Amino acid sequence: KAGVTQTPRYLIKTRGQQVTLSCSPISGHRSVSWYQQTPGQGLQFLFEYFSETQRNKGNFPGRFSGRQFSNSRSEMNVSTLELGDSALYLCASTGTPNTGELFFGEGSRLTVL
Amino acid sequence: DAKTTQPPSMDCAEGRAANLPCNHSTISGNEYVYWYRQIHSQGPQYIIHGLKNNETNEMASLIITEDRKSSTLILPHATLRDTAVYYCIVRVAVTSYDKVIFGPGTSLSVIP
Repeated sequence: KAGVTQTPRYLIKTRGQQVTLSCSPISGHRSVSWYQQTPGQGLQFLFEYFSETQRNKGNFPGRFSGRQFSNSRSEMNVSTLELGDSALYLCASTGTPNTGELFFGEGSRLTVL
Repeated sequence: DAKTTQPPSMDCAEGRAANLPCNHSTISGNEYVYWYRQIHSQGPQYIIHGLKNNETNEMASLIITEDRKSSTLILPHATLRDTAVYYCIVRVAVTSYDKVIFGPGTSLSVIP
């Protein structure tokens, strides 16, 4: 069974631009959550989606948004990029029934110049 | 805030057992203890989880104290490939899609 797939793996943007990251969960998984990882702040929860609805949200500004499609694929968007948005963005999916285990993708590494 | 505390770093000799401690003194009765590890620049990988009984799988063993306020992850024969950051988290396993809070974890270095 294929794992969680994130695209793109690497990207470089400049300040003020916006970026969209994609996550395809494991087939049959309906919950997708997103995390930002930086050296200074560690792994921080962004938001979580289940059946196209955002169920939980972390403490991030409104520039960070996401959505989930009917096939459970998810996207996150960051608008008006800042240097501090440079990070590894990780997506995880959770199975049904939920065992509490998170299955992570390899991440999308964003560099903002 | 993370519900767990772990030492920031540990060393272990290759071939020896690595014992990684975790304190979760405020754990609730319905919360499980989960362990993940993250090898540099990869996504975190699930290792094991448990409620109150000790658990073992092909990767590791999890020992949870009787009062459930702490636990230890044991890698029985550490190899260089076990060098990673290990995260201990607590969460409700079933039906709850609560936000998962990761602490800074323990950076384990396996030394030849």
